[in-house]
Amino acid sequence: EVQLVESGGGLVKPGGSLRLSCVASGFTFSSYAMMWVRQAPGKGLEWVSAISSSSGHILYADSVKGRFTISRDNAKNSLYLQMNSLRDEDTAVYYCARDERHCSGGGCYPGDYWGQGTLVTVSS
Amino acid sequence: DIVMTQTPLSSPVTLGQPASISCRSSQSFVYSDGNTYLNWLHQRPGQPPRLLIYKVSNRFSGVPDRFSGSGAGTDFTLKISRVEAEDVGVYYCMQATQFPYTFGQGTKLEIK
Repeated sequence: EVQLVESGGGLVKPGGSLRLSCVASGFTFSSYAMMWVRQAPGKGLEWVSAISSSSGHILYADSVKGRFTISRDNAKNSLYLQMNSLRDEDTAVYYCARDERHCSGGGCYPGDYWGQGTLVTVSS
Repeated sequence: DIVMTQTPLSSPVTLGQPASISCRSSQSFVYSDGNTYLNWLHQRPGQPPRLLIYKVSNRFSGVPDRFSGSGAGTDFTLKISRVEAEDVGVYYCMQATQFPYTFGQGTKLEIK
């Protein structure tokens, strides 16, 4: 069973930093691209960042470019999001999700599995 | 960026009756492998999104056959043949062909 478990959220002051983690199980993590998607309270979904299976390709939304850093440790089946210079508008639930369209044996699709999310609140 | 526009934003439906949600994109988005990566997601209150439909018309594992997706180009539709109580929540279309991935505003399905 595919599982994605996020952690690391919490309350932080504007300008502060936070590091989110997502631990994966139930699939060969090192073969899958991954992404972070966020959802502000009562709002819709916003794609934040994506990383390829080998970390060779990394992309960011304009809203977080230069402030957030996505990374992964395939030996630990873990995905990370380092968030610096946080702003009020970064307040959201952050979800990690799979982002692979070409996997061994097929049957994988961008956004096929999502974690439960971790809440980040930026407030003074 | 590709803009995804959903209609309606709210849909009160009677149990057992059909429901339909439209999603229109600002441009077509065919990936280099020839596929259009248009997803439909369902989110219940307090829960993460879950995939219902991928590549326009394919039901994901475990999704009831009362859900169907259709469309091409820039116009896509999610249909529920007979709404059940567990179908309440917000439905999002999502294009996963071109970065940044983008989502519709969401359509809230509620029971009359």
